[in-house]
Amino acid sequence: AQRVTQPEKLLSVFKGAPVELKCNYSYSGSPELFWYVQYSRQRLQLLLRHISRESIKGFTADLNKGETSFHLKKPFAQEEDSAMYYCALYNAGNMLTFGGGTRLMVKP
Amino acid sequence: ETGVTQTPRHLVMGMTNKKSLKCEQHLGHNAMYWYKQSAKKPLELMFVYSLEERVENNSVPSRFSPECPNSSHLFLHLHTLQPEDSALYLCASSQGQRRDTQYFGPGTRLTVL
Repeated sequence: AQRVTQPEKLLSVFKGAPVELKCNYSYSGSPELFWYVQYSRQRLQLLLRHISRESIKGFTADLNKGETSFHLKKPFAQEEDSAMYYCALYNAGNMLTFGGGTRLMVKP
Repeated sequence: ETGVTQTPRHLVMGMTNKKSLKCEQHLGHNAMYWYKQSAKKPLELMFVYSLEERVENNSVPSRFSPECPNSSHLFLHLHTLQPEDSALYLCASSQGQRRDTQYFGPGTRLTVL
């Protein structure tokens, strides 16, 4: 069965510091991975997906099949990046499985 | 209103009540979803409706009953719930059900007394 693990429930960094939100997955097929974000008092929304290989709000994520990881990175964190971040995986049945989420706090 | 809307935003009910959650999408999508978000567990898919099929998570108890009268509306009927069913219930929609981006509603915060 597929599984998505986000080992850190809370990540706290200072403004301007690099950020890496970890995501590991277990899935026997060809994975399709996403990062969703939920800002305070806003709805859950897509941040980026690995197949598009784009950078959104300065965030990037590279799929590493050898390490079964899809870590989210940003070189310089901003206060407005503070939010809940969820890693998610589509399985062969086209059902989305979410990780437990990581709360990112960017301190001034 | 655009996007995905959910009503009510907050609901408090007793264990013997019957209530329904409503979701409406204004995006012209063909697939809709119910998720449960509780404090102690990851976001969990409950049901999927699309033009092709209905899919349900086998772990969802029968006290939750979905209804999808058309591609724009989705209901979640609730009866004889338990306190552990208290959670945020999120609705989402996507263009199809082929790994498309899902767009989420604001959620209904349900409290079961």
